[in-house]
Amino acid sequence: DAEITQSPRHKITETGRQVTLACHQTWNHNNMFWYRQDLGHGLRLIHYSYGVQDTNKGEVSDGYSVSRSNTEDLPLTLESAASSQTSVYFCASRHRVDTGELFFGEGSRLTVL
Amino acid sequence: GQNIDQPTEMTATEGAIVQINCTYQTSGFNGLFWYQQHAGEAPTFLSYNVLDGLEEKGRFSSFLSRSKGYSYLLLKELQMKDSASYLCAVRGARPGAGSYQLTFGKGTKLSVIP
Repeated sequence: DAEITQSPRHKITETGRQVTLACHQTWNHNNMFWYRQDLGHGLRLIHYSYGVQDTNKGEVSDGYSVSRSNTEDLPLTLESAASSQTSVYFCASRHRVDTGELFFGEGSRLTVL
Repeated sequence: GQNIDQPTEMTATEGAIVQINCTYQTSGFNGLFWYQQHAGEAPTFLSYNVLDGLEEKGRFSSFLSRSKGYSYLLLKELQMKDSASYLCAVRGARPGAGSYQLTFGKGTKLSVIP
């Protein structure tokens, strides 16, 4: 079955370290998204991509970057992790811009000490 | 931009009916979505409304009034497994970069008690 997977599911790191969270989907979806979820804030959009070589900033993009070299993957990189980036990160995908349903990965819980 | 409001928490009894409200203010609108999220899990799609009115899907129904900026999710015959957070999300209106992604509310945590 087609799916969307994230790795690692849990990670603890130190302030200042570079961290990359992987997201891989096998639906051949063009659109991919990264959200973070924190108590009191809900899901907030970090970055998104509408296709290969396309990346766009979301609401809370500072300190994060993404790259889209193929359809299946959208890795999220924290260049220099900060304690404020402790969160649960969700990757999501959908087939087209005009269809709304998002399919979410299982989430990656990141703790920055 | 988008501003989405929904109650933080609700409690309801098994077998009962519960209505979760969502109000939004937006510079553009092209659909409202409801997602369910069990604790520690990913959100999953429940319903989509783009026109005014009620959409029914089994025990779950969703209503939209675009003129009032208002939606609700109605859950009937509540079961213990319905204990979860319910997320309201609005999609922007104009095509082009940045406008078709979803903006989520903070979610309503529903507790179903025996």
